[in-house]
Amino acid sequence: DAGVIQSPRHEVTEMGQEVTLRCKPISGHDYLFWYRQTMMRGLELLIYFNNNVPIDDSGMPEDRFSAKMPNASFSTLKIQPSEPRDSAVYFCASRQKDRGWRNGGELFFGEGSRLTVL
Amino acid sequence: GQQLNQSPQSMFIQEGEDVSMNCTSSSIFNTWLWYKQDPGEGPVLLIALYKAGELTSNGRLTAQFGITRKDSFLNISASIPSDVGIYFCAGQLRPNAGGTSYGKLTFGQGTILTVHP
Repeated sequence: DAGVIQSPRHEVTEMGQEVTLRCKPISGHDYLFWYRQTMMRGLELLIYFNNNVPIDDSGMPEDRFSAKMPNASFSTLKIQPSEPRDSAVYFCASRQKDRGWRNGGELFFGEGSRLTVL
Repeated sequence: GQQLNQSPQSMFIQEGEDVSMNCTSSSIFNTWLWYKQDPGEGPVLLIALYKAGELTSNGRLTAQFGITRKDSFLNISASIPSDVGIYFCAGQLRPNAGGTSYGKLTFGQGTILTVHP
């Protein structure tokens, strides 16, 4: 089975440009998460969706960041305008629906999108 | 919010040595998970622990869920070069009674493991 698919793998852009990162979760997974990884802050949860509905976006840094999930097989994370401090690796992850207390918490991560903003 | 303190931050060991790392939290978690991240890849689940006191093995890896539910450790026995990577602990609270919400996963800062042949 295909895992979580992210694109692009690498993006280099100039400050002020719009960046769109894309994610295709594992088929049948009900939850989708966007994480950001930096050396300084580690893995940070930005936002997550349940059945395409945003549940918690408290980790989104500011209004320049937005995320959408128009259907169960696609999500985007957009940064507009981008800034050098947005440089990081952005991960998308998905998981199955909770099934009782032993619910796993088993996130499946994509390979990440490495963003460099000059 | 919850914070996980993972230690050590990094380890440099010789091939064949055993490795131990741990995570502590100020909050009680209902699930502890250990992930490994290879260079240029996303984290991959190694072991999941669901019950206080639980000890689980996966090959050369052994992990335990602390009795207090505020800590967990991971041991790697007889390390090999391919064990190189970043190891993350993660804690998750139990979902709400309706079973429809997600217990937010909090990650530790990671332990960078280097294995010298």
